[in-house]
Amino acid sequence: ELKVEQNPLFLSMQEGKNYTIYCNYSTTSDRLYWYRQDPGKSLESLFVLLSNGAVKQEGRLMASLDTKARLSTLHITAAVHDLSATYFCAEGAQKLVFGQGTRLTINP
Amino acid sequence: ETGVTQSPTHLIKTRGQQVTLRCSSQSGHNTVSWYQQALGQGPQFIFQYYREEENGRGNFPPRFSGLQFPNYSSELNVNALELDDSALYLCASSLNPQERAEQFFGPGTRLTVL
Repeated sequence: ELKVEQNPLFLSMQEGKNYTIYCNYSTTSDRLYWYRQDPGKSLESLFVLLSNGAVKQEGRLMASLDTKARLSTLHITAAVHDLSATYFCAEGAQKLVFGQGTRLTINP
Repeated sequence: ETGVTQSPTHLIKTRGQQVTLRCSSQSGHNTVSWYQQALGQGPQFIFQYYREEENGRGNFPPRFSGLQFPNYSSELNVNALELDDSALYLCASSLNPQERAEQFFGPGTRLTVL
């Protein structure tokens, strides 16, 4: 059974701090997605990681992929309140398998 | 370029009723996938349609069915609604399943079953 596990599931942090969300997956997939979801809203695509060693950065967020370890990370640098949301990783091709999500709260 | 659209935005039904949700794919996309997201959970794959045929199905009972039309828009039908069917239903479109193209999500339909 395909499985994607994120940790932590809940994260409360202060503005200005750095933190990392981890995503472990069970298949040999070579692509991994990160999404952001605000309460009551749909999924916003953040990153598509297509190969081993891929690293992408957008603003204060940076995502990486290690296919050998079946691990992706989403690193937040100098967090700001606007980054408060739930973050999902997902892997797969035709059928995306999502993690449980990490609910991130950034306090002023 | 028009993105993925879904209708209705919100819907309230009672147990045992039937519901139809609609999705228009992004311009140029011929593949539509449907996902169910229960409160506090990650989305779960229901099924995918490609060229008007079902092209993969997740672990959902037969009372979840779908259609895709020649213009690539799609419907999700749920019969005999149960309380646990209350969820956000997300539609995603993509270029071509064989090429494993990225899926782009619509705004979702929030279904409440009372």
